Amino acid sequence: GDQVEQSPSALSLHEGTGSALRCNFTTTMRAVQWFRKNSRGSLINLFYLASGTKENGRLKSAFDSKERYSTLHIRDAQLEDSGTYFCASSGSWQLIFGSGTQLTVMP
Amino acid sequence: EAAVTQSPRNKVTVTGGNVTLSCRQTNSHNYMYWYRQDTGHGLRLIHYSYGAGNLQIGDVPDGYKATRTTQEDFFLLLELASPSQTSLYFCASSDAPGGASQNTLYFGAGTRLSVL
Repeated sequence: GDQVEQSPSALSLHEGTGSALRCNFTTTMRAVQWFRKNSRGSLINLFYLASGTKENGRLKSAFDSKERYSTLHIRDAQLEDSGTYFCASSGSWQLIFGSGTQLTVMP
Repeated sequence: EAAVTQSPRNKVTVTGGNVTLSCRQTNSHNYMYWYRQDTGHGLRLIHYSYGAGNLQIGDVPDGYKATRTTQEDFFLLLELASPSQTSLYFCASSDAPGGASQNTLYFGAGTRLSVL
């Protein structure tokens, strides 16, 4: 079965608001990464976490390997934040991806 | 900055057709990967390689072959394309097993393949 459960599958925000994406893992993972697919289709790495939290601008991510989840918080959302966000957890040789969250930021 | 280049960006073929997707990385990375992305499934690993001449099977290898001719070049081969292989394909490279270190995956821009 799936090892990474990402939610929500779709999210709409008004500019200036915020929300959180979440990934639950069915087994203990050593690390998590968050990606965003940009308008050209490229995957851009946002965060890599083996534990704790990291913050970059209006984005903040947390990873709790013991509780088996990770979150990505977006604050003060802007139109250019729209896109598809993926979490991925680290296995031995590969990343195991969540199914993605389609974020739409509206004026 | 790490660079991964995929070609073509778009490809249309017919059922039974022969397709080759190309990926080149100029990062001197040992590891390269082919993923497919489908709605509701996220990214799924097809094949990967940890060096020239090496090939490892991923999670969804059926119907795909791959070849790593050099450290830079990794090809995905569909010898008898089927409509179920219509998807968005991403190539990636890393200098360590994917996700195992701070040196993360670097992705290409993707190839959209349609099999009619």
